Amino acid sequence: AQSVTQPDIHITVSEGASLELRCNYSYGATPYLFWYVQSPGQGLQLLLKYFSGDTLVQGIKGFEAEFKRSQSSFNLRKPSVHWSDAAEYFCAVGPIYNQGGKLIFGQGTELSVKP
Amino acid sequence: DGGITQSPKYLFRKEGQNVTLSCEQNLNHDAMYWYRQDPGQGLRLIYYSQIVNDFQKGDIAEGYSVSREKKESFPLTVTSAQKNPTAFYLCASSSPGTGGTELFFGEGSRLTVL
Repeated sequence: AQSVTQPDIHITVSEGASLELRCNYSYGATPYLFWYVQSPGQGLQLLLKYFSGDTLVQGIKGFEAEFKRSQSSFNLRKPSVHWSDAAEYFCAVGPIYNQGGKLIFGQGTELSVKP
Repeated sequence: DGGITQSPKYLFRKEGQNVTLSCEQNLNHDAMYWYRQDPGQGLRLIYYSQIVNDFQKGDIAEGYSVSREKKESFPLTVTSAQKNPTAFYLCASSSPGTGGTELFFGEGSRLTVL
């Protein structure tokens, strides 16, 4: 079965501390992987994506993610968190080629930032 | 600026009433989608459409209906048959030219049933 698991429902970090949000997936074909961020009451914004090439990808707002095929993981990281990073983060997996755009989303990780 | 516009942002409805959520995009994208978001459940696909005059059911289509008469518009009707319609609804679009399955989202519509 195709699925995305974000093990941490809620994470709290101090401002300036490093961050890692976990994402594991189960997918039958070569996956196209995404991280999205959502502020309260807003839509989702793409942070970064990966489908081939360098397994460490850089995104917007200083985020990066590393694809590890052997672990079926695509963890999101940021070296130093800012208060404005408080939001909900969603990992998603989908087909490389447009086959209905049926992305599968994880349940999300809510990030709180302590001053 | 190109983007996706959803309206209304907030909507209240009485039980037994149908309500239609609007979604318009000027990105010239072929495909459009409706997702439902509930706390702790991520996003669940309601309906999607890859071309005009064609659409497919997603994972939770019961109690919902859609139409795709124009490329830029994909309205969602929440019918009285939807047993638990209170939720946050997100519209999205994509195009093969943007990498395939990458989705662009609107700002969402929050529906509350009184």
